Amino acid sequence: AQRVTQPEKLLSVFKGAPVELKCNYSYSGSPELFWYVQYSRQRLQLLLRHISRESIKGFTADLNKGETSFHLKKPFAQEEDSAMYYCALWMDSSYKLIFGSGTRLLVRP
Amino acid sequence: DSGVTQTPKHLITATGQRVTLRCSPRSGDLSVYWYQQSLDQGLQFLIQYYNGEERAKGNILERFSAQQFPDLHSELNLSSLELGDSALYFCASNLQGRDTEAFFGQGTRLTVV
Repeated sequence: AQRVTQPEKLLSVFKGAPVELKCNYSYSGSPELFWYVQYSRQRLQLLLRHISRESIKGFTADLNKGETSFHLKKPFAQEEDSAMYYCALWMDSSYKLIFGSGTRLLVRP
Repeated sequence: DSGVTQTPKHLITATGQRVTLRCSPRSGDLSVYWYQQSLDQGLQFLIQYYNGEERAKGNILERFSAQQFPDLHSELNLSSLELGDSALYFCASNLQGRDTEAFFGQGTRLTVV
């Protein structure tokens, strides 16, 4: 079955520490993967997508098809990074955009 | 502001009742997605419409139905409501219902009492 797994509900780090938010997917087709972020009291919004290979706000994510992963990384976390992060998978075969359960990142001063 | 508008923001209703949630997509977007987010759950995909037609269906209950109108706004109808239907319901839109950025509304918080 197609799914997106984010194993950590909460990730707490100190400011300046590296961050890695894990995302694994299950999909037999060619995946399109995204990270969405929801800051407090704001809408869910796109952070980055694997196809663009950009670094947004210092975050990067690399698609590893062998490990079926798309982990989100940042070398030095900032307090303003505290938010809910969702990994999402677009499935071209079924026109579905599905999300993981989300990871709350808390960056402490 | 993403340009996606959801109404109402909050809704409290009793078990057994029926409610309608409304979503206006961004101007020009043809595709609308509906998601349910329950406590401690991620966003559960319910259904996608593209230019008035149903395109993809997720784990949507038979008590729930949706449609997209000619002006591209969408409505999600929830009937015979149960306590477990209490959740945040999100709508998102994008241009072609493909692998491009989806823009989300603020959500409608439904409380069934």
